[in-house]
Amino acid sequence: EAGVTQSPTHLIKTRGQQATLRCSPISGHTSVYWYQQALGLGLQFLLWYDEGEERNRGNFPPRFSGRQFPNYSSELNVNALELEDSALYLCASGTGGTVSRGYTFGSGTRLTVV
Amino acid sequence: GENVEQHPSTLSVQEGDSAVIKCTYSDSASNYFPWYKQELGKRPQLIIDIRSNVGEKKDQRIAVTLNKTAKHFSLHITETQPEDSAVYFCAPTGNGQNFVFGPGTRLSVLP
Repeated sequence: EAGVTQSPTHLIKTRGQQATLRCSPISGHTSVYWYQQALGLGLQFLLWYDEGEERNRGNFPPRFSGRQFPNYSSELNVNALELEDSALYLCASGTGGTVSRGYTFGSGTRLTVV
Repeated sequence: GENVEQHPSTLSVQEGDSAVIKCTYSDSASNYFPWYKQELGKRPQLIIDIRSNVGEKKDQRIAVTLNKTAKHFSLHITETQPEDSAVYFCAPTGNGQNFVFGPGTRLSVLP
């Protein structure tokens, strides 16, 4: 069974540009969770999508947005990039919108803003 | 929302010694208590978890103990090895909808 896959692995953008990150969940999973992990720091919750809808959102500005497609894959968009957006963006998937069986994370996308 | 703390923030032990990391939380509705291990440059991985109807769970050299009354749970690693060096995160969850991870504990196992 394929795990959670994320693309691209690395992304370099210039300040002010837009970045698009992608996540494919484990087959059969309907929920996707996005986390930001700045270098050397902890995991900060960004967004939760389930069945195509945004279900919860962390304490991030509106320029962080995303969507979930009918096949349950998801896209995270970061507009008007700032230097402090440089981080590892992790995606996890689950079923039924619950996390009571533990997250399985993808390998992440490392975004560098220069 | 859930307030999660971990102690200590960094921990250095000699190879073969034991390590204990404590996670305290504020939400009394939390009923699922996982620990994740993140090695340098890699994704966090679930290493052990426990539910609120169990006080302790063990898996080889790692164990988790839960004190629901005091609202804390701990990760215990015995006979530590260099490959145990990593950052460990707790993520107590209530009603299946909690997204807060602890700040992490950096464990270094010295040879």
